[in-house]
Amino acid sequence: DTAVSQTPKYLVTQMGNDKSIKCEQNLGHDTMYWYKQDSKKFLKIMFSYNNKELIINETVPNRFSPKSPDKAHLNLHINSLELGDSAVYFCASSQSAYNYQPQHFGDGTRLSIL
Amino acid sequence: GNSVTQMEGPVTLSEEAFLTINCTYTATGYPSLFWYVQYPGEGLQLLLKATKADDKGSNKGFEATYRKETTSFHLEKGSVQVSDSAVYFCALSTGQAGTALIFGKGTTLSVSS
Repeated sequence: DTAVSQTPKYLVTQMGNDKSIKCEQNLGHDTMYWYKQDSKKFLKIMFSYNNKELIINETVPNRFSPKSPDKAHLNLHINSLELGDSAVYFCASSQSAYNYQPQHFGDGTRLSIL
Repeated sequence: GNSVTQMEGPVTLSEEAFLTINCTYTATGYPSLFWYVQYPGEGLQLLLKATKADDKGSNKGFEATYRKETTSFHLEKGSVQVSDSAVYFCALSTGQAGTALIFGKGTTLSVSS
């Protein structure tokens, strides 16, 4: 029974396209996150939602738009994809917005831009 | 500001060797410290944590002690296995709501038999 699940696992698409990544958690957590991991494994926080409210919004191009329809789901829509968007995107969740709470990660979505 | 510095990898060891991955931090106040592990093709998972000075976190044979005097949280294991091959991330929490966990750049460990 997967705790944090992301779909799709792999996404290969052309530059300029629009795509979405979905995330769901069944842990009953209040807080969810999107991270971007580059080819050197560096992890960068993009967004965080607590009970459907945006609480972390790092410096990310406005082509990236998160949406949280309820506290168990956090989706990421990306417009006009660029070569530099190629990365692994991780969704995570934690019990609350306090950052001492352990975070539970999905297995990632590997996005490749052709 | 708050930051985490990890030793650069990759670290390459033979099975049963002793492992140390260094992590130092800069923070105001009293942060909590974490080690996360990322196995190939997977997301990160919490390996161990320590919430105050002199606390020792341990899990799966790994240990790390929160040293306030040296601002360090080094990860150690007495005898590594091939299955320990992964990327290890040191992370810092300021304890504040609505602020991000601060991750180090990650250290890749490769263990050969």
